[in-house]
Amino acid sequence: NAGVTQTPKFRVLKTGQSMTLLCAQDMNHEYMYWYRQDPGMGLRLIHYSVGEGTTAKGEVPDGYNVSRLKKQNFLLGLESAAPSQTSVYFCASSYSISAEQYFGPGTRLTVT
Amino acid sequence: ILNVEQSPQSLHVQEGDSTNFTCSFPSSNFYALHWYRWETAKSPEALFVMTLNGDEKKKGRISATLNTKEGYSYLYIKGSQPEDSATYLCAFYNAGNMLTFGGGTRLMVKP
Repeated sequence: NAGVTQTPKFRVLKTGQSMTLLCAQDMNHEYMYWYRQDPGMGLRLIHYSVGEGTTAKGEVPDGYNVSRLKKQNFLLGLESAAPSQTSVYFCASSYSISAEQYFGPGTRLTVT
Repeated sequence: ILNVEQSPQSLHVQEGDSTNFTCSFPSSNFYALHWYRWETAKSPEALFVMTLNGDEKKKGRISATLNTKEGYSYLYIKGSQPEDSATYLCAFYNAGNMLTFGGGTRLMVKP
């Protein structure tokens, strides 16, 4: 039982490049989330999903897209990376909307 | 965007000291309050999920209380140990919104 995993762990991108971050969970959770964590800002919700095939915007969605084609996977895409997207990205999942969230190990992304 | 505030932002205590910190949140439409522990280089892990006014939860030396009418929760650590050093996050959920995290309280326990 791996819980929540994220790929990759680290990545350096140049401005304008694109990439996809993968989140996978094996707990059969309906809800999945992408957060970014910046110094002094806490965790901010980028996008979330309430089930397979559904996604919704969070607090800071601009510049990101997501997809949830399979229940266990939640992908976060950056189409044209900007230095402002340098951050640590955390994926999480939960059984219900208000239940405790289980977090992945994080992806450290640097955009130069 | 809901305002969830934690105080203090950081705290240094000696091993053996007991300590507490505060999470403040909007008192309207309360549904749940979460506490997470976040160690450096790891990911946040849930400590408590609290839903009822007056709730008290305990896990070992760590406990939490909840006052939904006035919009605050306290986290207490009894007899702090160096391994308690971490950032403690609270997160507030009300119906119609997603979980909103506070900025965290960073606790450092000196041996």
